[in-house]
Amino acid sequence: DQQVKQNSPSLSVQEGRISILNCDYTNSMFDYFLWYKKYPAEGPTFLISISSIKDKNEDGRFTVFLNKSAKHLSLHIVPSQPGDSAVYFCAASKGAQKLVFGQGTRLTINP
Amino acid sequence: GAGVSQSPSNKVTEKGKDVELRCDPISGHTALYWYRQRLGQGLEFLIYFQGNSAPDKSGLPSDRFSAERTGESVSTLTIQRTQQEDSAVYLCASSDSPGPLHFGNGTRLTVT
Repeated sequence: DQQVKQNSPSLSVQEGRISILNCDYTNSMFDYFLWYKKYPAEGPTFLISISSIKDKNEDGRFTVFLNKSAKHLSLHIVPSQPGDSAVYFCAASKGAQKLVFGQGTRLTINP
Repeated sequence: GAGVSQSPSNKVTEKGKDVELRCDPISGHTALYWYRQRLGQGLEFLIYFQGNSAPDKSGLPSDRFSAERTGESVSTLTIQRTQQEDSAVYLCASSDSPGPLHFGNGTRLTVT
């Protein structure tokens, strides 16, 4: 039972343009959502989070949007930079319980 | 300050042998998690510690897997009688619960 799904295994975007990564979840009890970025041979690093009481959270070039009715969240990166090339994981939890991760989307930023 | 440290970074073992993986969390973090990432897949939850107790062990794949945490610090994940399907990157994370998880760089386990 895949509670958090990232349906796009890969995404290619031109440098300077907007990258949009999508994530869907099935468990309506989830109330905390996060995005992580992972480079090869490194552990995932925390990027940005949002709680279910909000629908948008912004941090520099990164913005996360949450649509609770659709059980959908997205990460927008603008402008995209070559260093943004990595695998991005979305994750969700209910309260302080374990994070459930999606399968990841490999983002490639082309010069 | 120091991040989450895992050792060894790589481990190659023969099928049937036991292995022990170590995690040193960020000092003061009360929550500690073990995840596994098989090739081409997402992160799979294994076990969660709050302090030295494990309120959620639901992700441990079989009774060959066990974990402990002592002194609200170091944790070890032990896999007995390893099988080829145990090959994966084993990731440890800690958090100042509640809060985002901070991951180590993982232990890449290869069972031959």
